[in-house]
Amino acid sequence: NAGVTQTPKFRVLKTGQSMTLLCAQDMNHEYMYWYRQDPGMGLRLIHYSVGEGTTAKGEVPDGYNVSRLKKQNFLLGLESAAPSQTSVYFCASSYSGGVRNQPQHFGDGTRLSIL
Amino acid sequence: DAKTTQPTSMDCAEGRAANLPCNHSTISGNEYVYWYRQIHSQGPQYIIHGLKNNETNEMASLIITEDRKSSTLILPHATLRDTAVYYCIVSGSARQLTFGSGTQLTVLP
Repeated sequence: NAGVTQTPKFRVLKTGQSMTLLCAQDMNHEYMYWYRQDPGMGLRLIHYSVGEGTTAKGEVPDGYNVSRLKKQNFLLGLESAAPSQTSVYFCASSYSGGVRNQPQHFGDGTRLSIL
Repeated sequence: DAKTTQPTSMDCAEGRAANLPCNHSTISGNEYVYWYRQIHSQGPQYIIHGLKNNETNEMASLIITEDRKSSTLILPHATLRDTAVYYCIVSGSARQLTFGSGTQLTVLP
């Protein structure tokens, strides 16, 4: 049981390049999330998904796109990378929030540098 | 979601209990208190959550005051591996978690 797996773990891009970060979970969770964390700060929500085929914007969605074609995968795309997107990106998943308020389970992050 | 206030940093001796406070004076009736921690360079790890009753699991205890305006996370026997940033989050839904700056807990040998 791997939990939440993020690919790749590290990446360096040049300004203007595009890339996709992959998040996979094997816990059959309905909800998935993408966060970014800048140095010395807490996590900020970029986008999230409440189920296969659905996505929604979080606190800082600009410059990112997401897709949830399969329940177990949540992809984060950068169409034209900018230095301001240099950050550590974390993916998380959880069961349906609902009244049970199930906690989020996080991956170990992708460290992305944009030159 | 209600705002939380935590000390920036705390120290604790190894083997002693670590008591991490959190103020959330504007918490509303349907909001839960969540605690996560983040060990350096790793993803956040869920610790515990509660609504109004005190909670305990294998990692920690959560004490919520009767008026729910503050809470304390207790690590009963802190080890060096408990050194981390601890986040107190108040939210009406586990889907909407806002991470602040947290408390840097350093466990000293």
